[in-house]
Amino acid sequence: GDSVTQMEGPVTLSEEAFLTINCTYTATGYPSLFWYVQYPGEGLQLLLKATKADDKGSNKGFEATYRKETTSFHLEKGSVQVSDSAVYFCALTVYGGSQGNLIFGKGTKLSVKP
Amino acid sequence: GAGVSQSPSNKVTEKGKDVELRCDPISGHTALYWYRQSLGQGLEFLIYFQGNSAPDKSGLPSDRFSAERTGGSVSTLTIQRTQQEDSAVYLCASSLEASGNYNEQFFGPGTRLTVL
Repeated sequence: GDSVTQMEGPVTLSEEAFLTINCTYTATGYPSLFWYVQYPGEGLQLLLKATKADDKGSNKGFEATYRKETTSFHLEKGSVQVSDSAVYFCALTVYGGSQGNLIFGKGTKLSVKP
Repeated sequence: GAGVSQSPSNKVTEKGKDVELRCDPISGHTALYWYRQSLGQGLEFLIYFQGNSAPDKSGLPSDRFSAERTGGSVSTLTIQRTQQEDSAVYLCASSLEASGNYNEQFFGPGTRLTVL
């Protein structure tokens, strides 16, 4: 079945460090890929998305590129801030059917220290 | 505008009792999803509604779980005879529709269920 694997956390970085959170997927169809973020005490929010191969999603300085050849969607940010501390979830969905439910990775907790 | 709301925000219950969790989706969203977030299992899809219909209930973990949606709006997730392994945060999301092109899912704040 469809699944998402992302790197285990927690990840602790100093402010202004470079961030990479790895995400790979398996899917029977042609998925759309997402990164969701959950800030402390808040609900899940969509951070960025990509709906076809080679698309780059970007938001708030974060980027991820849909790589079909490596089935990956790694999240990157060049310079993290304390306010980026949160749990990050990679997710996919396969549209074209009648469901569209999201399949999530287990989440990676990021802590950024000043 | 108003986002997805869920109630209660926290629920503590005793093993064996029934609980009802409520979700109010964004007005005009025809698709509604329930997920469960637990330490051991991460984020799991439970069930979705397109309008008032739930075409696929295979994500529900056991027959103690049921859900309904009325008027194409509010949904209730019911857990009968709760067990300790049901303890989790139950998340609801809504989107414009469930099929076709990409439609962003907007999540509610969740209901934290603790079964003692």
